[in-house]
Amino acid sequence: DAGITQSPRHKVTETGTPVTLRCHQTENHRYMYWYRQDPGHGLRLIHYSYGVKDTDKGEVSDGYSVSRSKTEDFLLTLESATSSQTSVYFCAISESLRLSSYNEQFFGPGTRLTVL
Amino acid sequence: GENVEQHPSTLSVQEGDSAVIKCTYSDSASNYFPWYKQELGKRPQLIIDIRSNVGEKKDQRIAVTLNKTAKHFSLHITETQPEDSAVYFCAASGTGGFKTIFGAGTRLFVKA
Repeated sequence: DAGITQSPRHKVTETGTPVTLRCHQTENHRYMYWYRQDPGHGLRLIHYSYGVKDTDKGEVSDGYSVSRSKTEDFLLTLESATSSQTSVYFCAISESLRLSSYNEQFFGPGTRLTVL
Repeated sequence: GENVEQHPSTLSVQEGDSAVIKCTYSDSASNYFPWYKQELGKRPQLIIDIRSNVGEKKDQRIAVTLNKTAKHFSLHITETQPEDSAVYFCAASGTGGFKTIFGAGTRLFVKA
């Protein structure tokens, strides 16, 4: 597996509380992504980063913010968690934006978040 | 908006049989089509991919075909084995990885 870790791996929290998920990579890849995975929806992009301090929205960004202060770390924050944000969150990395067999997207192990 | 539809959502086959999963995409600018396998509780992992300038690609027991005109692509697994049991995702990507759109997934069961 590519050097990607996520923390925490599991979290249970209450509605209205802030939550931060961390993605850490040791591959020095420029591009980092946050996805959420829900039954019947596959993987949906929340936010992505194309460099330190450079981020942009994906298709389901409402209620989420991100930050990238170092190449190796990409943080996902839920400012005020809601039950609809209960999901499995995957971080991913890629060396360049143009995906191929030689530049694939590697996924982290995932974080299971439950919002009660 | 851009969409990838994947069928079937569940597929059950006998060990040794073939399995076929089909996807259609809407964005004609898509030019890269990866397939991922996700075992229970694990991360998605790339198993095979195809570019829009290629009609078919094989890797041992798995193959992917692409019909760019019809915007269809399919995953074929031959001589299925119990360890092929997993969820399979298709995806379509354009010139940027951030535009990768995933299908909803197919849960494949291979019965021994």
